[in-house]
Amino acid sequence: QLQLQESGPGLVKPSETLSLACSVSGGSITSNSYYWGWLRQPPGKGLEWIGSIFDSGSTYYNPSLKSRVTLSVDTSKNQFSLKVTSVTAADTAVYYCARRGINWGCVDDVCYFDSWGQGTLVTVSS
Amino acid sequence: QPVLTQPPSASASLGASVTLTCTLSSGYSNYAVDWYQQRPGKGPRFVMRVGAGGIVGSKGDGIPDRFSGLASGLNRYLTIKNIQEEDESDYHCGAEHGSGRNFVLVFGGGTKLTVL
Repeated sequence: QLQLQESGPGLVKPSETLSLACSVSGGSITSNSYYWGWLRQPPGKGLEWIGSIFDSGSTYYNPSLKSRVTLSVDTSKNQFSLKVTSVTAADTAVYYCARRGINWGCVDDVCYFDSWGQGTLVTVSS
Repeated sequence: QPVLTQPPSASASLGASVTLTCTLSSGYSNYAVDWYQQRPGKGPRFVMRVGAGGIVGSKGDGIPDRFSGLASGLNRYLTIKNIQEEDESDYHCGAEHGSGRNFVLVFGGGTKLTVL
C-alpha cells in the first residue's frame, strides 16, 4: 500500500526558508499515471494547493505562491521536496504531500488526490 | 479562477441527514467540484466529484452509499444520510481551473460537520 510521509523542521524563523521532504514508500515516484503535490492548511482554515510536480521535474505552482516556492523531485530517493522562501507567520500551517492521478491513474476519467501524508505542522515564529 | 464558498460549520443528529453546500462564484456554473472528507488528525480522503449534472464518475474507495451528490446552479451539494459518528469530519470542496501551464487547484474554506 502506498504511503507518503512528510519530514522537516517544525519551527522556522521569519524570513528564513521552509524545507520539507515527502518520502514515498510502497510504490514508485516514477509513473506515467500519477504526479505529486503539496498542499497546506493554516490553523482553522481550508486547504490551499501549493503546487505539483511530475517525475520528470515539470512543475505547476499556485500563482499566489509561485515567487517563493520551489518543488523538486529525487527519483533515486523516491521522494519530492518543497521549499518556501521568505516565510512569515502566514505560512504557519499543516503541510501535506499527496499523489494525484493523471491518465490511467484517474478513475472513470476523474483525477484526484488519492493518497495523502499525515501532514506536518510548520510554525513560523522567532 | 473560481472562488468556492462553504459555510464554516454544520451539525446533524445521529441517524439524521445533512446536506453540505459548496458555492461556486458567478460565471463558473459549468464547473465540477471534488469533495474531500478529513477526519481529525488525518489527511483528506476523496469522496466524490459533483458536476453541473450531478455525480461524475465513481465515489472514492470505501465511501458508503449513504453519501450522495447533487448540483443546482452554482451550488454543489454533498448529502449524507443516516449519519454515523465516523462522519464527523471537516469536508472540503475543490475545483480545477485552467490547463497546461495555467492549471490551478482552488479550495473552499471547509465545513466542520458535528454529529450530535
